Amino acid sequence: GIQVEQSPPDLILQEGANSTLRCNFSDSVNNLQWFHQNPWGQLINLFYIPSGTKQNGRLSATTVATERYSLLYISSSQTTDSGVYFCAVKVGGGADGLTFGKGTHLIIQP
Amino acid sequence: DSGVTQTPKHLITATGQRVTLRCSPRSGDLSVYWYQQSLDQGLQFLIQYYNGEERAKGNILERFSAQQFPDLHSELNLSSLELGDSALYFCASSVAGATYEQYFGPGTRLTVT
Repeated sequence: GIQVEQSPPDLILQEGANSTLRCNFSDSVNNLQWFHQNPWGQLINLFYIPSGTKQNGRLSATTVATERYSLLYISSSQTTDSGVYFCAVKVGGGADGLTFGKGTHLIIQP
Repeated sequence: DSGVTQTPKHLITATGQRVTLRCSPRSGDLSVYWYQQSLDQGLQFLIQYYNGEERAKGNILERFSAQQFPDLHSELNLSSLELGDSALYFCASSVAGATYEQYFGPGTRLTVT
C-alpha cells in the first residue's frame, strides 16, 4: 500500500516562531488532507489539498503532486498550535479510506 | 464542531464483551468511514459505507462489523473484545466518495479491561 512519511517527528519551538512540516507519499493521490489533533484528541481539518497552494490565516499548505510531497507552514506560532499534525492521503484509483502518516508532534513553549 | 457526532464519548468494558459505537454524519453526507487510533498502530482506516452499502474495507478485524442505516447513521460493532482493542475510534463523513474532504467526529475512547 501507499507509504506516508512525515517529518520531523517532533518539534519544539518558542511562541512566535515559524515552522515547516513535510509529508512525503509514495504513490499518486487524489485526496490529501492535513489535520491537527489537539490535546483532547479531536481531529481538526486544516486543509484539503490534493494539489496546489492554500492559505488560512497563519497556516498555509502546498502540495506538489508530481513530486509526491506536501508542506504545511505555520507562522507566528501560538501555544494553542501545540498538538500532533497529521497528513493523510488516498491513493488514486482505489476504493479505500485515508492512509495517515505517523504525525509531527509540535510543542510551542511560551 | 465538524458536524459529525459520535456516542458514547467513553466506554469501559471487559474482555470478551461486545459493544456498539454510533455515528451520525454531517447533514447531506452520504459516506461514513470508521478509523481506529491506537498507540502501536497509529490511525488506521477500518471500513467505508456509502448510502447504505459497504464501499471499502481496510484493516478491520473479523470480530468487528459495521452497517449504515437508511437515515445514514452508522454503527460499528466490536465483539469478543481483547485488551488490544483499546483505542480511540473515529467516525468520519464526506459528501460522496473518498476523494472528497472527510470530516471527523470527536471519537469514542474504548478501554477494555
